[in-house]
Amino acid sequence: KAGVTQTPRYLIKTRGQQVTLSCSPISGHRSVSWYQQTPGQGLQFLFEYFSETQRNKGNFPGRFSGRQFSNSRSEMNVSTLELGDSALYLCASMLEPSLYNEQFFGPGTRLTVL
Amino acid sequence: GESVGLHLPTLSVQEGDNSIINCAYSNSASDYFIWYKQESGKGPQFIIDIRSNMDKRQGQRVTVLLNKTVKHLSLQIAATQPGDSAVYFCAENAGGTSYGKLTFGQGTILTVHP
Repeated sequence: KAGVTQTPRYLIKTRGQQVTLSCSPISGHRSVSWYQQTPGQGLQFLFEYFSETQRNKGNFPGRFSGRQFSNSRSEMNVSTLELGDSALYLCASMLEPSLYNEQFFGPGTRLTVL
Repeated sequence: GESVGLHLPTLSVQEGDNSIINCAYSNSASDYFIWYKQESGKGPQFIIDIRSNMDKRQGQRVTVLLNKTVKHLSLQIAATQPGDSAVYFCAENAGGTSYGKLTFGQGTILTVHP
């Protein structure tokens, strides 16, 4: 069974631009969560989607948004990029939102903002 | 302003030694705890989990201990191998409606010397 895939793996943007990152969950998984990983703040939760609906949101500005499609694939978008948005963006999928279900992480998208 | 990077705790051991990695969690209401391993260039990988109604759980070469009184979690790795070198994160899930939201600790860098 294929794991979580994220595209692109690497991305370089300039301040003020916007970016869209894509995540394909493990086949059959319907819940997708996004995390930001930086040296300064560590791993921080961005948001979670299930059945095309955002279930939870972390403490990030409105420039960060996401969506989920009917096939469970998810995208996240960051508008008006800032230097501080440079990070590894990780997507994780889960069979369904349940307390003891394991989250499986993708390899991440490394975003560099110049 | 300039962001200060996290100074991750480090643990350096010899191959064959036992390793103990510690984690203090923040939410006394958390119901579920997970240890992840992250190798360079990869996303976090599940190692072992434990529910709040347990105080110990064993896997293959790994044991997780949970002390809810002091909100402390530890990961013990037996007969540590060079392939165990990675950053280790504890994560907690508060449950409720937050099934897809994990709160991560800062991480510990484990280096295993042959």
